[in-house]
Amino acid sequence: DGGITQSPKYLFRKEGQNVTLSCEQNLNHDAMYWYRQDPGQGLRLIYYSQIVNDFQKGDIAEGYSVSREKKESFPLTVTSAQKNPTAFYLCASSITYSQGSDYGYTFGSGTRLTVV
Amino acid sequence: GDSVTQMEGPVTLSEEAFLTINCTYTATGYPSLFWYVQYPGEGLQLLLKATKADDKGSNKGFEATYRKETTSFHLEKGSVQVSDSAVYFCALRDNYGQNFVFGPGTRLSVLP
Repeated sequence: DGGITQSPKYLFRKEGQNVTLSCEQNLNHDAMYWYRQDPGQGLRLIYYSQIVNDFQKGDIAEGYSVSREKKESFPLTVTSAQKNPTAFYLCASSITYSQGSDYGYTFGSGTRLTVV
Repeated sequence: GDSVTQMEGPVTLSEEAFLTINCTYTATGYPSLFWYVQYPGEGLQLLLKATKADDKGSNKGFEATYRKETTSFHLEKGSVQVSDSAVYFCALRDNYGQNFVFGPGTRLSVLP
């Protein structure tokens, strides 16, 4: 079955460490996205990529970095510069938009990152 | 810029009650509209969508109608079950095909 796989499901980070969250999709989707979700709150866009080797900052990109070397993969690195990284991280993908046939986003099951 | 407003939660209902979660939007042009559902500890799943005015999206007993005149996309279900307890997100994507705009989410709790 096609879908998006995020790993790990739970991740613990020590203060000052960088950690990388994995996101892989086999849906042949062009666009991929990273969102952050804090308890009881909505989704905030961190980074997105519409095509391989290109990505754009979202609303809260500070302290995060991404790469898009392959269509299937869009890893997110949470750097030590991110002051409050404890959150639930969601990856999503979508096909290239065409008017009248918008299928929306497909989401992964998320990674819960905790700073210890 | 584009925005989505949803009714604040939490919403608590008894099993078999009627559900309405209000959603209104601000956008230029003719956006596509979506409802997503998030169960505890999981990612978001697409519940239903509508891509043009007067379209009705439906799935699993849930319905929502794209009302351009009132810029609304209210979610309804005639008889909720305990298993419907989740957080519901209204979202739009504008007709330039750029990124989604999500509402803040509404938590629904259904009691037996």
